[in-house]
Amino acid sequence: GQQLNQSPQSMFIQEGEDVSMNCTSSSIFNTWLWYKQDPGEGPVLLIALYKAGELTSNGRLTAQFGITRKDSFLNISASIPSDVGIYFCAGLNYGGSQGNLIFGKGTKLSVKP
Amino acid sequence: DARVTQTPRHKVTEMGQEVTMRCQPILGHNTVFWYRQTMMQGLELLAYFRNRAPLDDSGMPKDRFSAEMPDATLATLKIQPSEPRDSAVYFCASGTTGLNYGYTFGSGTRLTVV
Repeated sequence: GQQLNQSPQSMFIQEGEDVSMNCTSSSIFNTWLWYKQDPGEGPVLLIALYKAGELTSNGRLTAQFGITRKDSFLNISASIPSDVGIYFCAGLNYGGSQGNLIFGKGTKLSVKP
Repeated sequence: DARVTQTPRHKVTEMGQEVTMRCQPILGHNTVFWYRQTMMQGLELLAYFRNRAPLDDSGMPKDRFSAEMPDATLATLKIQPSEPRDSAVYFCASGTTGLNYGYTFGSGTRLTVV
């Protein structure tokens, strides 16, 4: 089946530093999504990407949909303590009976004040 | 803010008992997913529905798990009989087909089978 490889698995950074994480797949996806999960809660959508090459920002977050449609990255600039959590990438193919959202294993981010 | 509501938030049960988890999707959303999250496996898709029809439940152990949408406001996931290896957090998510695929997740049901 389709699998997403997300890296790194975890990151320990100092407040104010920039963060970069990425996701790769052996399969093509039509849509890439980035979610953040806080402890005890469900994942919350951060950014959605719908077109190959698309670069989208949401505040201090920037994500890109790779040209090959097999990868995506998420950058967080000037990290703050509330950025702590687990970040998931997710790939989606739609059309017909599809609509299955496949998740990466997550990147756990820790921010030291 | 519209939200996906899951009940119960926590459930502790003995092995062999039936467990029912409920989800109220966001009004107007036509797609509902059930995911299971564990440390080892991450987020695994169990089943999903579009317009209340099951589209894919290949991720679900069929002998003990069942998922239904009796109406547009309720999705259920049942485990009978439950086993310790079913202990996990179960998430429901809803969304709508179209240009925007930002599926919204509920807060999950944390299931512990002892």
